[in-house]
Amino acid sequence: DSGVTQTPKHLITATGQRVTLRCSPRSGDLSVYWYQQSLDQGLQFLIQYYNGEERAKGNILERFSAQQFPDLHSELNLSSLELGDSALYFCASSDLAGGHTQYFGPGTRLTVL
Amino acid sequence: GENVEQHPSTLSVQEGDSAVIKCTYSDSASNYFPWYKQELGKRPQLIIDIRSNVGEKKDQRIAVTLNKTAKHFSLHITETQPEDSAVYFCAASGGGSNYKLTFGKGTLLTVNP
Repeated sequence: DSGVTQTPKHLITATGQRVTLRCSPRSGDLSVYWYQQSLDQGLQFLIQYYNGEERAKGNILERFSAQQFPDLHSELNLSSLELGDSALYFCASSDLAGGHTQYFGPGTRLTVL
Repeated sequence: GENVEQHPSTLSVQEGDSAVIKCTYSDSASNYFPWYKQELGKRPQLIIDIRSNVGEKKDQRIAVTLNKTAKHFSLHITETQPEDSAVYFCAASGGGSNYKLTFGKGTLLTVNP
């Protein structure tokens, strides 16, 4: 167990819908990262937050957005869902004291029908 | 941006043999190189990492080597066991104000008893 939690574990929804994925980092970690894992694209960085502020953006679609709240948990919002958005979504957290080391949560498996 | 190439994509070995997975990276500013093990449907788990001021690091049966000049790093697993069977990912991170990971495509390691 990495100490990073994600909910829900599974999500099944229809095209055009909107969903929210939630992540709670390890106690004391200020940084949260979101990654998408699909068979064709592999593990891809989406976005990073540090202590409530957006720090870096990767290959994140405009239909996707995220935020980090004062209690440091983060939410990833996916809207106007398409079949191709079906994937595993992982969040990871890290702290400055630990350097770059990122610990991954169990992931949310999103299926868009 | 950073690009990480990983080889081979699949690797099959007999129990007790050694396994070597190689990665190259493109951004000379990258300074942190972790390796993750992922079992089917599970989270990526950090197994070992190396920073650019170190050439080699070992942890029991696992070792990682880094050649900064050639921009490549390798994972070595000795005395492989069936429970080592999984997908292994290398990654690179450039530091600065964010520590996003750029992953290789992964290597499916199968250890045959």
